[in-house]
Amino acid sequence: AIRMTQSPSSLSASTGDRVTISCRASQGINGFIAWYQQKPGKAPNLLIYGTSSLPSGVPSRFSGSGSGTDFTLTITYLQSEDFATYYCQQYYSYPLTFGGGTKVEIK
Amino acid sequence: QVQLEESGPGLVRPSETLSLICSVSGGTIRTHLWSWIRQPPGKGLEWVGHVSYSGRTNYNPSLKSRVTISLDASTIQFSLKLNSVTAADTAAYYCARLGSDGYSPFDTWGQGILVTVSS
Repeated sequence: AIRMTQSPSSLSASTGDRVTISCRASQGINGFIAWYQQKPGKAPNLLIYGTSSLPSGVPSRFSGSGSGTDFTLTITYLQSEDFATYYCQQYYSYPLTFGGGTKVEIK
Repeated sequence: QVQLEESGPGLVRPSETLSLICSVSGGTIRTHLWSWIRQPPGKGLEWVGHVSYSGRTNYNPSLKSRVTISLDASTIQFSLKLNSVTAADTAAYYCARLGSDGYSPFDTWGQGILVTVSS
């Protein structure tokens, strides 16, 4: 199984900050990575797919980048509603696997 | 817009079978793959498996010996059965939709249901 390693596991930031979350795959995944946002007590919500594509309705302050085994989720100008836990997921091979999550907390 | 909703018992005894249903509304069940994902309290996400309209299944090897996922087109529902449960199976269980080729993200999720395994 492909292992997805996220870093950091948590971070503290202020509204208006730029935040970067990393995800490293244990082998190449050909850009088949998605990012999800999860708020307490809620289901995850798709933020990014195919490394850098945004589904309809996702604010443009969210962006994704990367290639090979290293990928990044960036939130520019952090908003209050962005404090949540973020997960990466590879869909290049089975079993489908997720990273351990990054909790973005208020500083 | 497709919506998913999980239902089933919130408490299961150890060694028994966990059974959940996901009801699909607002769209067809003929396309896409229909998945189950679980999340133990305070922990990360684990893909359990999925089923297609034709009944083709794919399971996480870590759970394969205990899992059955099936689809009922007449009721527009799909189900999860996990047998011989232990406390380690306590989790929020989510149903989710996956693209029909299986190599796509989970674009729609149910709200989740917490299942506790306890005597």
